[in-house]
Amino acid sequence: DAGVIQSPRHEVTEMGQEVTLRCKPISGHDYLFWYRQTMMRGLELLIYFNNNVPIDDSGMPEDRFSAKMPNASFSTLKIQPSEPRDSAVYFCASSFPTGNTEAFFGQGTRLTVV
Amino acid sequence: DAKTTQPNSMESNEEEPVHLPCNHSTISGTDYIHWYRQLPSQGPEYVIHGLTSNVNNRMASLAIAEDRKSSTLILHRATLRDAAVYYCILRNQAGTALIFGKGTTLSVSS
Repeated sequence: DAGVIQSPRHEVTEMGQEVTLRCKPISGHDYLFWYRQTMMRGLELLIYFNNNVPIDDSGMPEDRFSAKMPNASFSTLKIQPSEPRDSAVYFCASSFPTGNTEAFFGQGTRLTVV
Repeated sequence: DAKTTQPNSMESNEEEPVHLPCNHSTISGTDYIHWYRQLPSQGPEYVIHGLTSNVNNRMASLAIAEDRKSSTLILHRATLRDAAVYYCILRNQAGTALIFGKGTTLSVSS
């Protein structure tokens, strides 16, 4: 398996535009996680899915953020409208549904909103 | 979620062993102790995990205290490539989300 694949790697957009980040988890993993990382706040969990169903979205900052997982091999994180404070690195991760296993992270998407 | 406490930073010299401590006094009996590291400009990567017994793998060793309230990640011979932020995280039996703290920034000097 190629690991967790995120796209795009870099995204620069203007304030007010819609941004969509994409993630392909490792095949067979039931859990998918979205994280955001900034210097000020570190790595924050935004939302996670179990078998394509959102389980905990309490970390989603506001209604401008939404995440979907239409099938087991694809998830999106959408920001609409985007704001400069959304600039961060967004990571996707996946794992099996047990604490006795590791989570695998993608390389991240660096988002810059100008 | 049970929390962990780590020193903000540590320094080491190349080729020397490094012991990274972590306190988790509120750990529950079914929490696994996980360690991840994040190299500059990369996503976090798994290092090692354990429940009660000490664990070894090709990257590191994990020493877990008998009462499980603390653990130590051991890098046997630090290299410059080990310079990273190391995170100690508790993960429950169901494997729900990893909650990251600030971690320990390890600097390695030649």
